[in-house]
Amino acid sequence: DTEVTQTPKHLVMGMTNKKSLKCEQHMGHRAMYWYKQKAKKPPELMFVYSYEKLSINESVPSRFSPECPNSSLLNLHLHALQPEDSALYLCASSQEDRADEKLFFGSGTQLSVL
Amino acid sequence: AQSVTQPDIHITVSEGASLELRCNYSYGATPYLFWYVQSPGQGLQLLLKYFSGDTLVQGIKGFEAEFKRSQSSFNLRKPSVHWSDAAEYFCAVGFFSGGYQKVTFGIGTKLQVIP
Repeated sequence: DTEVTQTPKHLVMGMTNKKSLKCEQHMGHRAMYWYKQKAKKPPELMFVYSYEKLSINESVPSRFSPECPNSSLLNLHLHALQPEDSALYLCASSQEDRADEKLFFGSGTQLSVL
Repeated sequence: AQSVTQPDIHITVSEGASLELRCNYSYGATPYLFWYVQSPGQGLQLLLKYFSGDTLVQGIKGFEAEFKRSQSSFNLRKPSVHWSDAAEYFCAVGFFSGGYQKVTFGIGTKLQVIP
């Protein structure tokens, strides 16, 4: 299994809603990532988990809350989002949290905030 | 500061023609270099990567890239483009920053293939 699975594929939410994005991999990878990609822009790193511990938070607003319940799962909890948070949210994983590692990406969750 | 520049936002080529996508980087040491491809509404897939050794690297789907230290470039090439190659292509660099290892992406080049 060489896939990173993200659910849901599409999500529409209001600014007062609470929702969660889920990501799962069964490749035994020890590093997992959340990226945000706005239309016609490159992916931007949000969070990095290494061995289930948060190692990088790229100054992301607190309305985004990551969680890594175990080595295969990564969640992104969303609360009180703004319309400008609408984007494609990509999860990725790699064998280790190293700059020379290949990243395996999921197909993303397209989020629209109304 | 490290950066990745892809000077061509959009490129159109005819099917069967050759392709070269440009990438320049700025980094104090030899970086880890990658090319990823993204189809619409999808995640990114690694085409190839360079760390050291032979400066010409082969990737999947018939792509290759050449690392030129003197030009700080890592251009992607394909001798004959297929319609299925139409996608967005991202050059990326892996580096150390603030005690952590990170990967940053260029702005991307959108490839259109015409019959």
